[in-house]
Amino acid sequence: NAGVTQTPKFQVLKTGQSMTLQCAQDMNHEYMSWYRQDPGMGLRLIHYSVGAGITDQGEVPNGYNVSRSTTEDFPLRLLSAAPSQTSVYFCASSYSPLSNQPQHFGDGTRLSIL
Amino acid sequence: AQSVTQLGSHVSVSEGALVLLRCNYSSSVPPYLFWYVQYPNQGLQLLLKYTSAATLVKGINGFEAEFKKSETSFHLTKPSAHMSDAAEYFCAVSEKGGSQGNLIFGKGTKLSVKP
Repeated sequence: NAGVTQTPKFQVLKTGQSMTLQCAQDMNHEYMSWYRQDPGMGLRLIHYSVGAGITDQGEVPNGYNVSRSTTEDFPLRLLSAAPSQTSVYFCASSYSPLSNQPQHFGDGTRLSIL
Repeated sequence: AQSVTQLGSHVSVSEGALVLLRCNYSSSVPPYLFWYVQYPNQGLQLLLKYTSAATLVKGINGFEAEFKKSETSFHLTKPSAHMSDAAEYFCAVSEKGGSQGNLIFGKGTKLSVKP
């Protein structure tokens, strides 16, 4: 199993550009989520999904959209990139939405907005 | 709202010394608690989790953590540090009984191990 796969690993954008960060998992996990990691801030939840067709906002959702059309995929869209969105983005998944389930993380996408 | 405090953004120990990384949570109802490790340029890996069974939890790579309700703490320890333990460690909580699995992370503690 590949686990959680994120693409691309690195990306540089100009302010105002849009892009989609891809996330796929092959573990048939119900729960998927997106976090951003900034120095000294830990990880903060952007959006999450408890199953195909169901998404909800986390702590820092502004500027980002998500959709979950299949169990496997959970893309994160930046609509109009801003320098404040320069960060490392992690996708995670877990077997179920229950809060005692550990999450499995991808290796991250390092995004720079100029 | 839940919060997690990790005391010390950087901890430095000598190889073979005790590792102690501190984590305190804010909830009045004990949550589920997790420790994750992040090696450079990688994602997070689960070290261990507390889900209300034994209060002393053993994890991978010789780490363990003890849940203390009276102190609202879940400190991570390892008796003898190895050079390979150098990484950033994150404590995280999720609300017991919650159906969304959302994690709240501390800000992380970077562990350095000196030869």
